[in-house]
Amino acid sequence: DAKTTQPNSMESNEEEPVHLPCNHSTISGTDYIHWYRQLPSQGPEYVIHGLTSNVNNRMASLAIAEDRKSSTLILHRATLRDAAVYYCILETTSGTYKYIFGTGTRLKVLA
Amino acid sequence: GAVVSQHPSRVICKSGTSVKIECRSLDFQATTMFWYRQFPKQSLMLMATSNEGSKATYEQGVEKDKFLINHASLTLSTLTVTSAHPEDSSFYICSAGGHYRAGYTFGSGTRLTVV
Repeated sequence: DAKTTQPNSMESNEEEPVHLPCNHSTISGTDYIHWYRQLPSQGPEYVIHGLTSNVNNRMASLAIAEDRKSSTLILHRATLRDAAVYYCILETTSGTYKYIFGTGTRLKVLA
Repeated sequence: GAVVSQHPSRVICKSGTSVKIECRSLDFQATTMFWYRQFPKQSLMLMATSNEGSKATYEQGVEKDKFLINHASLTLSTLTVTSAHPEDSSFYICSAGGHYRAGYTFGSGTRLTVV
């Protein structure tokens, strides 16, 4: 199964942009890159996903490297409510398209 | 948007008893649902893939006789933890997706405590 590598934790000041990196050097050509975040004692929440091109939505932006071996989730203005564990996941193309979670990045937002 | 409901949100049971957790897709049909387990401060670990109308597919190391999965309809999958022991205490989360490559929706999780 394709794996992802993320820093264990990051900190950001409130109202500032945050760039959360993810390495996925073993990604295959048709794997989608998904980002989810998880607040304490809750299930993961969808943030954004993409294949090759950069993507924007109301929550965040996703920048995907040209070789697709890495990506960056961008929160344009971090708020205290953005403090969570962020997971970068590759949607495997084998069989049932299951998600394999990595360790994730715990984002701390400082007031 | 897609909504997945998980019930109960919390359950405490005695050692040796069985506990059933339900996962429902409320506004879409899900032929496939997934069950995860999460220990404190750890990531989600995929336990099994639940397939409507057929047997579940378990990940390596997950005991199929202990964690019984039933996916009898397109909107409901259940996970039964049989003969629960304190080490089964964990946060159990399900997910489902109705649209190809549109991402999966996760339930809010079930906190199981076995005493």
